[in-house]
Amino acid sequence: AQSVTQLDSQVPVFEEAPVELRCNYSSSVSVYLFWYVQYPNQGLQLLLKYLSGSTLVKGINGFEAEFNKSQTSFHLRKPSVHISDTAEYFCAVSESDTDKLIFGTGTRLQVFP
Amino acid sequence: GAVVSQHPSWVICKSGTSVKIECRSLDFQATTMFWYRQFPKQSLMLMATSNEGSKATYEQGVEKDKFLINHASLTLSTLTVTSAHPEDSSFYICSARALAEYQETQYFGPGTRLLVL
Repeated sequence: AQSVTQLDSQVPVFEEAPVELRCNYSSSVSVYLFWYVQYPNQGLQLLLKYLSGSTLVKGINGFEAEFNKSQTSFHLRKPSVHISDTAEYFCAVSESDTDKLIFGTGTRLQVFP
Repeated sequence: GAVVSQHPSWVICKSGTSVKIECRSLDFQATTMFWYRQFPKQSLMLMATSNEGSKATYEQGVEKDKFLINHASLTLSTLTVTSAHPEDSSFYICSARALAEYQETQYFGPGTRLLVL
């Protein structure tokens, strides 16, 4: 069975500092990987996705993530964060032959001035 | 593109009443729609998967008679919470997966917050 682990429930960081949000997954088959962002009282917005091809994926708002198959990781990074990046970030995985998305427990990114 | 709307965004109801939530794909046709439930400060839990024109597939532990799902067209799915009780209070989010270009990706609605008094 698939599972997604986001080790950090909260990540505090100062504005303009770099940040990495960690995501590890377990699956026995090929997977698709996603990062979504959720602002307060809103639904989820797709940041980026890995389906195949280049392991470095660039998304919106300056975020990028790297798929590492050997380490079963898909960490999200941004070189310089803004106050507006404060939100909840969810990593999700789906197996290539199924419909379902399995979400991690989320990481709360708090950017301080 | 790939915009999903939900209506209403907020609903407050008395215990024992039924509440219907609509999920619409505005600029694409959604072969599959998903319904999630999110408790405060927690992740999304998949409740059911609905395919247009067929019965929904419910996840283990989700009562199909309590959470009625209808996916009558390629742009609309509805979730009806029947005889709602305070423990049904939650944030309900739908997502839609489209034909062709968006096949592997789910696009999410803004969510509906339900409060049952």
